[in-house]
Amino acid sequence: DIQMTQSPSSLSASVGDRVTITCRASQAITNYLAWYQQRPGKVPKLLISAASTLQSGVPSRFSGSGSGTDFTLTISSLQPEDVATYYCQKYSSAPRTFGQGTKVEIK
Amino acid sequence: QVQLVQSGAEVKKPGASVKVSCKASGYTFTGYYIHWVRQAPGQGLEWMGWINANSGGTNYAQRFQDRVIMTRDTSISTAYMELSSLRSDDTAVYYCARAPGGVPADCWGQGTLVTVSS
Repeated sequence: DIQMTQSPSSLSASVGDRVTITCRASQAITNYLAWYQQRPGKVPKLLISAASTLQSGVPSRFSGSGSGTDFTLTISSLQPEDVATYYCQKYSSAPRTFGQGTKVEIK
Repeated sequence: QVQLVQSGAEVKKPGASVKVSCKASGYTFTGYYIHWVRQAPGQGLEWMGWINANSGGTNYAQRFQDRVIMTRDTSISTAYMELSSLRSDDTAVYYCARAPGGVPADCWGQGTLVTVSS
């Protein structure tokens, strides 16, 4: 099975900072990569599909890039409401493995 | 609006089974897959498998292959996930989520806490 590895596992940044989270697949998955946001105590929310397609209603400060094995989620200007754990997920085929998550906090 | 409403919290003893339901509304149930994902306390998301709500076909993660059964009842737009031979490390919030074929899940249920304890 393809493994998904995120880094870092956690980060602390100031409001307005640019934040980057990476996700690496153990084999190429073209662009079948999604990013989810899970705020504390809440249900996961789909942010990005196809590695870079922002879902409707998601703020434009979120962006995704990459293809093959290396992917990036960027928050251009961190806001307090972005405190959450972010997960990548491959959906090229089953199993639809998630990364282990990246917890984002405000410094 | 699109909604997935799951059944309530369960407490089970080790070795027992649990069946969680997921009732869909606001869309054509048979046009989507239902995925099941679980999250142990303080841990990450773990994909368990999917059911094609139209055909009933399933695909399970290997680690659950011998313990999970996913079914659906199209007459009431409801999907079910039954997990057997429960252990304490099955304690988790179980989510259902809908996805068209080949794309990520865009709507999730509220989650069902299953606690396994003697």
